[in-house]
Amino acid sequence: ETGVTQTPRHLVMGMTNKKSLKCEQHLGHNAMYWYKQSAKKPLELMFVYSLEERVENNSVPSRFSPECPNSSHLFLHLHTLQPEDSALYLCASSQDLGLAGWGNEQFFGPGTRLTVL
Amino acid sequence: SQKIEQNSEALNIQEGKTATLTCNYTNYSPAYLQWYRQDPGRGPVFLLLIRENEKEKRKERLKVTFDTTLKQSLFHITASQPADSATYLCALAKSGGSYIPTFGRGTSLIVHP
Repeated sequence: ETGVTQTPRHLVMGMTNKKSLKCEQHLGHNAMYWYKQSAKKPLELMFVYSLEERVENNSVPSRFSPECPNSSHLFLHLHTLQPEDSALYLCASSQDLGLAGWGNEQFFGPGTRLTVL
Repeated sequence: SQKIEQNSEALNIQEGKTATLTCNYTNYSPAYLQWYRQDPGRGPVFLLLIRENEKEKRKERLKVTFDTTLKQSLFHITASQPADSATYLCALAKSGGSYIPTFGRGTSLIVHP
């Protein structure tokens, strides 16, 4: 496997279910990200991890819970979601956070299409 | 407030013509700007990065310009092909911040044979 992989690709869940999204990157990168993409809206940054430490949490509801057990894996645990949480959830990685200002090209996975009934 | 604006209307052009997409921003001091391509149901793919002190970048049929006075970036695809049809996203990272880019909502390009 190369690049960034995400599983499952599609997920349908009820509002009372608990599920998890998985992301794995095979690029040796140090930073990983979760984004939400809804129709007609820009990508919304949810969480950022650098070297397994969470460095950004953009006011995301607590029903979304990230986990980064190592620099290659990132999870998004979901519980008691709402129908408005239905969206494409994208995972991305980059070599680092680009704090030097030189740029951090992000590599995205194919996404998980989530539908909350 | 900070805004990144891309034309929400799809751009329709004929094969062989040059496609030009626009990204405007307000209330940003950008460190750099990126362009990504996104196909339906897939994640974005990085295309080009241009830094705030650069005016133009090229890669094969792609060209990006960056005018920090006009607060605008233009993305050109020359000799466009139907395979270039996709949504193109611009993303800005501001200087002095976390350097994590913020994305615009993208513009859909449709190249007709």
